Amino acid sequence: DIQMTQSPSSLPASLGDRVTITCRASQDIGNYLRWFQQKPGKSPRLMIYGATNLAAGVPSRFSGSRSGSDYSLTINSLESEDMAIYYCLQHNEYPYTFGAGTKLELK
Amino acid sequence: QVQLKETGPGLVQPTQTLSITCTVSGFSLTSYYMQWVRQTPGKGLEWMGFIRSGGSTEYNSEFKSRLSISRDTSKNQVFLKMNSLKTEDTGVYYCARENWERWGQGVMVTVSS
Repeated sequence: DIQMTQSPSSLPASLGDRVTITCRASQDIGNYLRWFQQKPGKSPRLMIYGATNLAAGVPSRFSGSRSGSDYSLTINSLESEDMAIYYCLQHNEYPYTFGAGTKLELK
Repeated sequence: QVQLKETGPGLVQPTQTLSITCTVSGFSLTSYYMQWVRQTPGKGLEWMGFIRSGGSTEYNSEFKSRLSISRDTSKNQVFLKMNSLKTEDTGVYYCARENWERWGQGVMVTVSS
């Protein structure tokens, strides 16, 4: 199975900060990488698809990038509504696998 | 308006079978894959499998021997059945549309005697 190693597991940050979350894939997944945001008691919300494409309705302060097997989600100018857990998902190969999550919280 | 809603038993005894229904509206099951994802305290988010728009299925090998996904297109419903439940199967079960852009609210399942 493809392992998605997500870091950091916890990220304290201040409002207005620029933050980056990374997932490293254990094998080639091309750009078959999605990012999700999950708030307590809610379903995951698609933020990024195809590694770099913003999903519908997602604020432009979110962006995705790729460098080799490292995939990153960056949030510019952090807002209070961005506090959540973020997950990556590879869907290049079965079984699809998620990262363990990054909890973004106020410093 | 696209909507997905899971319904299920809430509490299931160990060794028994879990049955969850995902009822959809605003789109046709013959046009979209339907995914199943669960979230457990022990393993976090796990992709379980999907049923294609044509009706064929793909399963995570982790569950393959005990998982079944099916559908009734006339009722706009997708079904998840998993047998031989263990306490580790306790968690929230979600259905999601093909590209994970739409999710149900999830249904909490507790496996306990």
